[in-house]
Amino acid sequence: EIVLTQSPGTLSLSPGERATLSCRASQSVSSNFLAWYQQKPGQAPRLLMFGASRRATGIPDRFSGSGSGTDFTLTISRLEPEDFAVYYCQLYSLSLPFTFGPGTKVDIK
Amino acid sequence: QVQLQESGPGLVKPSGALSLTCAVFGGSISSSNWWSWVRQPPGKGLEWIGEIYHTGTTNYNPSLKSRVAISVDKSKNQVSLKVKSVTAADTAVYYCARVQMVYYYMDVWGKGTTVTVSS
Repeated sequence: EIVLTQSPGTLSLSPGERATLSCRASQSVSSNFLAWYQQKPGQAPRLLMFGASRRATGIPDRFSGSGSGTDFTLTISRLEPEDFAVYYCQLYSLSLPFTFGPGTKVDIK
Repeated sequence: QVQLQESGPGLVKPSGALSLTCAVFGGSISSSNWWSWVRQPPGKGLEWIGEIYHTGTTNYNPSLKSRVAISVDKSKNQVSLKVKSVTAADTAVYYCARVQMVYYYMDVWGKGTTVTVSS
């Protein structure tokens, strides 16, 4: 079973700053099957990125994704007030179709 | 625009069974998508429960497989989730989501429904 680890657990930043979120897999995975979601309190998760670097429909270009193998990154170039939320990475694999990371909370410093 | 809506009892007794439905609006349950259930205990992260294709083929999280059943009703354009022998650990917000094949991500989510297991 592949385990996803996200770091940091909490990221305290100010609006306008750059956010760099990490998602690490316990073994090498295909970047095609790595997705990122944003979740705000009381709301369902919202798809941000799929295929590690492909933005979902309607997602602003301040969000970008990268990575391969075991290390993946979600970057928010300049934080807007609406970006403060929890972010989850998700992996698809044949052994356990869907695995989520524990999440990174981006909060206001 | 496809929308998903979960529904079901908000309170279930311990050792009982939890039954939820997910209605699909604005699209067909028989499209080329899998339909997943995901849950989130209070204050915790997301846990994938299982998925179903319109043919009835299912996949389950091994940690829940012995207690979970997902079914599809094409006439009603909905999928259902049943979890038996529930405990307080099954208290969570339950979401259904549409899975896009090829890259296997969840692009449409319902708003979720809260289930509390308590006597």
